[in-house]
Amino acid sequence: GQQLNQSPQSMFIQEGEDVSMNCTSSSIFNTWLWYKQDPGEGPVLLIALYKAGELTSNGRLTAQFGITRKDSFLNISASIPSDVGIYFCAGHETSGSRLTFGEGTQLTVNP
Amino acid sequence: SAVISQKPSRDICQRGTSLTIQCQVDSQVTMMFWYRQQPGQSLTLIATANQGSEATYESGFVIDKFPISRPNLTFSTLTVSNMSPEDSSIYLCSVMWGSKNIQYFGAGTRLSVL
Repeated sequence: GQQLNQSPQSMFIQEGEDVSMNCTSSSIFNTWLWYKQDPGEGPVLLIALYKAGELTSNGRLTAQFGITRKDSFLNISASIPSDVGIYFCAGHETSGSRLTFGEGTQLTVNP
Repeated sequence: SAVISQKPSRDICQRGTSLTIQCQVDSQVTMMFWYRQQPGQSLTLIATANQGSEATYESGFVIDKFPISRPNLTFSTLTVSNMSPEDSSIYLCSVMWGSKNIQYFGAGTRLSVL
């Protein structure tokens, strides 16, 4: 089935630094979602994107739906220790299709 | 968002036994899903739980191993049958909810099979 290529696989940063991660696909997606998973928890939705070119913010998080509809990025500004976790991109190729997940980006923030 | 309660939150089971995981949602939802997340991996869809009919399984997953019930629009169970150590994973319930059909996840069941 369709795969989402998410990078980087892991990041080790200092508190206060900005972070960027992205997801690419070989086919067009009509919805992009970004989730965060803390240890011992299920994925929690951070940002949902529905239109090509859409740029959406949620506090220190900003995500964009690529204009080709084949990619998306997530930026975290001024990282803090509680940003630690695994970030997953996910998307629907068509309305009602199964949700496809990226492989995740493990973020570590050093105080 | 919908509130999803999943239990048990974790269990340690013996090889050859079965475990039933429950998922309760605080709102009626049309679509419910079961995922598996193996250690250090992403999420893999096991099946879509259909209310009033048999679940729709993804390639590599079969009803005999992962029987699913969906008696109403707020509840579903997933059974992991005849367990082996390879079944040690996190099992996650998910629902599609709201006008934009966003998927939300329960906290997961952490299963260890000895």
